[in-house]
Amino acid sequence: AQTVTQSQPEMSVQEAETVTLSCTYDTSENNYYLFWYKQPPSRQMILVIRQEAYKQQNATENRFSVNFQKAAKSFSLKISDSQLGDTAMYFCALHYNNNDMRFGAGTRLTVKP
Amino acid sequence: DTGVSQNPRHKITKRGQNVTFRCDPISEHNRLYWYRQTLGQGPEFLTYFQNEAQLEKSRLLSDRFSAERPKGSFSTLEIQRTEQGDSAMYLCASSLLQNTEAFFGQGTRLTVV
Repeated sequence: AQTVTQSQPEMSVQEAETVTLSCTYDTSENNYYLFWYKQPPSRQMILVIRQEAYKQQNATENRFSVNFQKAAKSFSLKISDSQLGDTAMYFCALHYNNNDMRFGAGTRLTVKP
Repeated sequence: DTGVSQNPRHKITKRGQNVTFRCDPISEHNRLYWYRQTLGQGPEFLTYFQNEAQLEKSRLLSDRFSAERPKGSFSTLEIQRTEQGDSAMYLCASSLLQNTEAFFGQGTRLTVV
């Protein structure tokens, strides 16, 4: 069974600093995709970054980057130069083949001025 | 295209009543997902469609829940004989191909009183 675990219910960071959100997952599949989604207080989920499991290179999108450790089944999100607008719930998600997307319980990130 | 649209945004109903929600996905997206999200939790998978075919249903989806996607366009989620435990945010998402980005709607918040 697919499971996604986010062990940090809440985190905070000072504006302009760097924060890392953790995610571990479990799957028996070899080909899958991992995502980080952001859900601001307005509650519409927005994709932050995506990683294909077959790619060794870590994905990067502007201030957002991941540390993908396939053997350890770890997929952390690093946010550099944190901005107030980064305050949101962040969900790690796993998706493969003809199956649903499984989400972790989320990490509430607060960026402090 | 304005993205994934869900209606209504809010619904308050009395216990025992039936409710129906609608989701209009992004046009040409062949996959459509329904999720349920309670406060402080990650989205829980309910069901998904590929075109008009319902390919998977979660065990969370009791007999009181039914979903349709006639003609592979919009989808409806009906809950019969609502219970207080059904109170949640119901999210719809669509994607063009499996394993690619899912675009979420703003959700329908259901309150059963």
